[in-house]
Order: sequence, then C-alpha cells, then structure tokens
Amino acid sequence: AQKVTQAQTEISVVEKEDVTLDCVYETRDTTYYLFWYKQPPSGELVFLIRRNSFDEQNEISGRYSWNFQKSTSSFNFTITASQVVDSAVYFCALVENTGNQFYFGTGTSLTVIP
Amino acid sequence: NAGVTQTPKFQVLKTGQSMTLQCAQDMNHEYMSWYRQDPGMGLRLIHYSVGAGITDQGEVPNGYNVSRSTTEDFPLRLLSAAPSQTSVYFCASGVRDLTDTQYFGPGTRLTVL
Repeated sequence: AQKVTQAQTEISVVEKEDVTLDCVYETRDTTYYLFWYKQPPSGELVFLIRRNSFDEQNEISGRYSWNFQKSTSSFNFTITASQVVDSAVYFCALVENTGNQFYFGTGTSLTVIP
Repeated sequence: NAGVTQTPKFQVLKTGQSMTLQCAQDMNHEYMSWYRQDPGMGLRLIHYSVGAGITDQGEVPNGYNVSRSTTEDFPLRLLSAAPSQTSVYFCASGVRDLTDTQYFGPGTRLTVL
C-alpha cells in the first residue's frame, strides 16, 4: 500500500491563482517526519519543508504555506499568487522514526500558465 | 560550499558494461544515500550509509554496489548494466539519519542500451 498518496497527478493554474497540492500519508508510528520537495524542469530536487509529527502548527514561508492535520493524515501545500517559476513537480515524503525508508509520493506536476 | 555533487550528469552504457556513479558532499554529513527516479514511481532508495565504513540496502539494491571509505564520498557501482537500470539517479546526504533533511545532488541521467 502507498504510504504517501498525492492524488493530483497534474494541475494547471493561471498565474496569480492560488493552488493547493494534496498529500495524504499512512503510518502507525507516533513519531514521523514529513517533507515537501520541488523538482523544477531542470531536474534537481529542492528541499522546501520538514515537519515532525509533534508540531501541528501551520507554517508560512512567503507565498508558500503548509497545513498539517494529523486527524486526517494530511500535509497539504498551498502556493498563493502562483508564478510561472512555480511550475515544477512537487513531492511529498514521509520518514517513520522506526524505519529507514524515505517514502515518496508519486508527485504532482504543477503548470502555471502566464 | 558545493553541497552534494554528482558526476557524470549523463551517461550511456551498453548492456553488460559496468560503471561507477560518483557522489561527494562537503557538509560533513554522516548519512548518505542513493535513489533512482523512474516515471510515475517517485524516488526509490537503493543503498544508504550511516557513516564511513557502514552501508546497507534500501528498497531496490539488486544490481548495485556501494562503499563508504570516507565521510565525503559515496560511489554507486553498476556491476553489469541492464536496460531496466535506465533511470535518473540521485545522491543525497543528511546530518545524521533519514529523519534529518536530505539534500540532493543534481542527478545523473543513465541510459542503458
């Protein structure tokens, strides 16, 4: 079974629109870590955020914000006022404290249309 | 501070050939790992190391070898390349273990004919 599910395979938005990328995870551990990475067309993987399971506060970084809800096992990512440079594939990932495995979702490809 | 570097960026091999993908980091990280990225499958862990002299298998280790003689370097060896190993390979490092933020190299695009 998938540990991390990103149900949205592809999303297209017009520049300046807000967009939310969904991430649902599955774990029985009480301690775990969630990540988001960005992969632009150039191919590198850029770290965006790391969150541990004990910190449920939402986080905002510029136009980026993250909504962590343990009750629904979700860690959603919102881009406000999207820009063309936001076009990329975004990956959500889970690391359990008891394991040694990095569970990546299959990614959401975001296209921002000018 | 170069971060995580990988060479080469592109490589074409014939079936049965061997080669080594190089990975180095200058952040004094203990944890290093190799992943392959295939379309629609996210990233999958091949091998990892928690420190010099210590390596272990990940999710998809068959056909690959690793060694960690220094903290900085973590090469990945393909013993006898197969078309199924056509993929993009990423090396990553983290301070101590997988629960820390992992910083990825730029990737190596490998094609096996």
